[in-house]
Amino acid sequence: DAGITQSPRHKVTETGTPVTLRCHQTENHRYMYWYRQDPGHGLRLIHYSYGVKDTDKGEVSDGYSVSRSKTEDFLLTLESATSSQTSVYFCAIRRQENTGELFFGEGSRLTVL
Amino acid sequence: QQQVKQSPQSLIVQKGGISIINCAYENTAFDYFPWYQQFPGKGPALLIAIRPDVSEKKEGRFTISFNKSAKQFSLHIMDSQPGDSATYFCAPQETSGSRLTFGEGTQLTVNP
Repeated sequence: DAGITQSPRHKVTETGTPVTLRCHQTENHRYMYWYRQDPGHGLRLIHYSYGVKDTDKGEVSDGYSVSRSKTEDFLLTLESATSSQTSVYFCAIRRQENTGELFFGEGSRLTVL
Repeated sequence: QQQVKQSPQSLIVQKGGISIINCAYENTAFDYFPWYQQFPGKGPALLIAIRPDVSEKKEGRFTISFNKSAKQFSLHIMDSQPGDSATYFCAPQETSGSRLTFGEGTQLTVNP
């Protein structure tokens, strides 16, 4: 979809390896979010950002770190991937700050063997 | 933290029937009440949303009903179609805040 690009879209890795997922927006929005989606758990917030170098933890942040060095990019890093981090990861932007409306990317499917 | 409870987890409806999904919340500071629709392999997308100053909003076959005193809102899909088969999420929000959290989702199947 226009506005957000997630990369890679699919990745298979081994336990213990570092992984970085990238979210790129073309719309210059302040708020960006990383969610993970797992069967039976819906969408769970990992980390979010409210500006360059401004980030905060969500409800499932253990084992994840993020960085935002420029407005358009929000990186999610798994320092040492574990099988429990096998999931589909979604990035989202908040297009209007006076509402909670989020616009999501297409997702990145990560498999940790 | 169980601020948002969505029900049912799954729902099967016949074509032409009415689908009803409910969302209960605890935080009285929430002031934006959206429903998102997600098709397999895609990210969620905003379907319809309501502000707390109205009790109902209708967009085509989709209606949100909001009950402030009961702290719940629901999504009604009239004349349900097989193309409505998707996962639906409620995501009540406090728009002055930064954290945006979602319900656990309802998988809707509409049989032809």
